[in-house]
Amino acid sequence: QQQVKQSPQSLIVQKGGISIINCAYENTAFDYFPWYQQFPGKGPALLIAIRPDVSEKKEGRFTISFNKSAKQFSLHIMDSQPGDSATYFCAANSGTYKYIFGTGTRLKVLA
Amino acid sequence: GAGVSQSPSNKVTEKGKDVELRCDPISGHTALYWYRQSLGQGLEFLIYFQGNSAPDKSGLPSDRFSAERTGGSVSTLTIQRTQQEDSAVYLCASSLGDSARSYEQYFGPGTRLTVT
Repeated sequence: QQQVKQSPQSLIVQKGGISIINCAYENTAFDYFPWYQQFPGKGPALLIAIRPDVSEKKEGRFTISFNKSAKQFSLHIMDSQPGDSATYFCAANSGTYKYIFGTGTRLKVLA
Repeated sequence: GAGVSQSPSNKVTEKGKDVELRCDPISGHTALYWYRQSLGQGLEFLIYFQGNSAPDKSGLPSDRFSAERTGGSVSTLTIQRTQQEDSAVYLCASSLGDSARSYEQYFGPGTRLTVT
């Protein structure tokens, strides 16, 4: 019940395309859902986050869609660029110190 | 201001040796976390500190792993008698810490440990 399932494991997208990464959870106590971006040799960095009181949050080319009833949330990267090539992690938090992370999606955007 | 720093950035050690990995959190952050990231895997929680105490050590994989934090700041993760399966990137994160909405984590660059 504490897991966050992330898919796909890897993704290849053409420049200008839309990248979509999905996550699903079971624990209804989760109330904060961040996405992290990790470049090779670096630590994960917070990209965008959402709380379940909204169904969508957009920051620039990055959008989180949230479906509370389905217990799913997804990251959409519009107009994907080669510089977006990185590993993306979703996570879930229930207001405590503990984050549950997905297993990561390695995104490659072809020039 | 300065972010989370970790040292060394890379460590190669022989099987059976002990290693110490260091984390300097962001100044003023009372919470500190260690994670392990194996190749192509997600983030595996190891331990959480609030101040100098560790209320959650549940992720430490064996008694060869230990961590301490002194002065509410720097933390050291020690792995004794290293094994090849310990090879991974060890990430440290810190956060403001002690209330429900101050747990946003900031990660360091990690230490890549290779056990030969």
